[in-house]
Amino acid sequence: EAEVAQSPRYKITEKSQAVAFWCDPISGHATLYWYRQILGQGPELLVQFQDESVVDDSQLPKDRFSAERLKGVDSTLKIQPAELGDSAMYLCASSRGPSGGYTFGSGTRLTVV
Amino acid sequence: KQEVTQIPAALSVPEGENLVLNCSFTDSAIYNLQWFRQDPGKGLTSLLLIQSSQREQTSGRLNASLDKSSGRSTLYIAASQPGDSATYLCAVITGANNLFFGTGTRLTVIP
Repeated sequence: EAEVAQSPRYKITEKSQAVAFWCDPISGHATLYWYRQILGQGPELLVQFQDESVVDDSQLPKDRFSAERLKGVDSTLKIQPAELGDSAMYLCASSRGPSGGYTFGSGTRLTVV
Repeated sequence: KQEVTQIPAALSVPEGENLVLNCSFTDSAIYNLQWFRQDPGKGLTSLLLIQSSQREQTSGRLNASLDKSSGRSTLYIAASQPGDSATYLCAVITGANNLFFGTGTRLTVIP
């Protein structure tokens, strides 16, 4: 069964450092999402891509977060500088469209110290 | 903005019991609804996807129902097992391909 690939699986970084996460969606899925999940809460959308274009980044803290999907395939989410409050699970998901449902990756657990 | 609520927040049951998890949403103009399972420290695993034209969907011991008009969905788990222990999340999907999550129900099945 096709999977959404994410790396790294875990990341520990010091406050004020830069950190980057990578996601490779299921082949053929035009829509890619990055979500942040704080412990004990549901995932919250950070950014949504349709092919290489950003569809929704209204909840992305743009002063420190950036996301790109240059060729409309894989994507990178960057945080610079990282803050203690950024400690969370970062989840990537992809979709063919609203009728096909969503597939999530295993996530990246970020700890900022 | 769509708001999704899941009740209860946590549930503990003895093995073998049948149980129901509840999900409610404020805007009935949804496209689909999807139930996920999340094990501690892991990503989300899709359990069931209910199209807006359907009223229920079944997979093994799981049955999910959808009532758009009342803004409710339920996930029924039959004959629960310790391996079912996890957090269950429901998510509503809009026509704009946005996904709104509830805060989840943490299920513990006691052997």
